[in-house]
Amino acid sequence: DSGVTQTPKHLITATGQRVTLRCSPRSGDLSVYWYQQSLDQGLQFLIQYYNGEERAKGNILERFSAQQFPDLHSELNLSSLELGDSALYFCASSPPVTDRVFVLANTGELFFGEGSRLTVL
Amino acid sequence: GQQLNQSPQSMFIQEGEDVSMNCTSSSIFNTWLWYKQEPGEGPVLLIALYKAGELTSNGRLTAQFGITRKDSFLNISASIPSDVGIYFCAGRQANAGGTSYGKLTFGQGTILTVHP
Repeated sequence: DSGVTQTPKHLITATGQRVTLRCSPRSGDLSVYWYQQSLDQGLQFLIQYYNGEERAKGNILERFSAQQFPDLHSELNLSSLELGDSALYFCASSPPVTDRVFVLANTGELFFGEGSRLTVL
Repeated sequence: GQQLNQSPQSMFIQEGEDVSMNCTSSSIFNTWLWYKQEPGEGPVLLIALYKAGELTSNGRLTAQFGITRKDSFLNISASIPSDVGIYFCAGRQANAGGTSYGKLTFGQGTILTVHP
């Protein structure tokens, strides 16, 4: 058990719909990351939040958005769903570091949740 | 964007055999990580490497951070059936701070099958 909690574990919906995936990071972790894993795409980075603020953006579609709340949990919103959005969506968290510490002692380990499997029919 | 080439894509081996897989990049990384993913689970961190040339072991697993900082390998010795899964390498760029902090680039994975 990584300590990262994701809900729901499975979700089946129709094209055009909107869903929200939720993530609670490990206790004490300030950073939350979202990844998409499709069968033929490996793990694709979507977005990162650090203590409520967006820190980095990957290949996230405009139809997707995310946010991190004051209690540090995060939500990934997927709208106008298409068949190709069917995938596993993983949330990960990492221990807190300040930018200065980052320069001196770069860790970078991510701890992943079990994922949310989205099926769009 | 960043590209990591991980090979082989899949391996079918007999129990007891040793396994080797590697990742190469066109860019320099300052961190290399190796993860294992089992069916229905999220990736689990196996080994983390932070210095060029670093060789680290975790039980039957050994990984090395290439001296060019553009590659890494993972070896599994005396494989057992529970080694089955997908192994991912991941690397993070060498620039500190900025918007790239924490963003890992993952390889495409190596699917390992171990026959008893």
